[in-house]
Amino acid sequence: NAGVTQTPKFRILKIGQSMTLQCTQDMNHNYMYWYRQDPGMGLKLIYYSVGAGITDKGEVPNGYNVSRSTTEDFPLRLELAAPSQTSVYFCASSSRTGLTDTQYFGPGTRLTVL
Amino acid sequence: ILNVEQSPQSLHVQEGDSTNFTCSFPSSNFYALHWYRWETAKSPEALFVMTLNGDEKKKGRISATLNTKEGYSYLYIKGSQPEDSATYLCAPAGSNYKLTFGKGTLLTVNP
Repeated sequence: NAGVTQTPKFRILKIGQSMTLQCTQDMNHNYMYWYRQDPGMGLKLIYYSVGAGITDKGEVPNGYNVSRSTTEDFPLRLELAAPSQTSVYFCASSSRTGLTDTQYFGPGTRLTVL
Repeated sequence: ILNVEQSPQSLHVQEGDSTNFTCSFPSSNFYALHWYRWETAKSPEALFVMTLNGDEKKKGRISATLNTKEGYSYLYIKGSQPEDSATYLCAPAGSNYKLTFGKGTLLTVNP
């Protein structure tokens, strides 16, 4: 069982470059989430989706965009990379109820912006 | 955005010791409380989800309690083992489908 997969595992970007972080889940979960983890801080929610075609902002959405064209995929796009976006990014998914169901996390993408 | 406090920030114990840590959160607009275990270089993994005041959950040597009226949850580990070393995250959930994660308690169990 693959669960939640993320690519790439690591990436170094130059300031101003763009990239897409990929996230795919094979559990048929409706809810998907993007978090970032900075040293000494808790996981911060960037964007989330409650189903295909529906996305909404989390706590720290500035500088990011998402789309959800299928149940399985929830890519996160950085349009103009900035050093403040250096972080570890985690994608997660959960089943129908969202609030009381477990979130399953992917392995993370470590991004450095220089 | 909920204000979630976890204490202590870090904890060192000897193998065999029992330990506990705290998660504090606003008692208003509470829906559920999640605990996750996060080992270094891995992804967070779910331990418990609790919703009712007085809830107690147990998984092996790890257990948790919930007090929604005063806004706290305790996580207990009985007879700590080196493999319990990890960061333990709590995350209360409100009605807006979002979890707010605390900064975690880093537990190190020395053999």
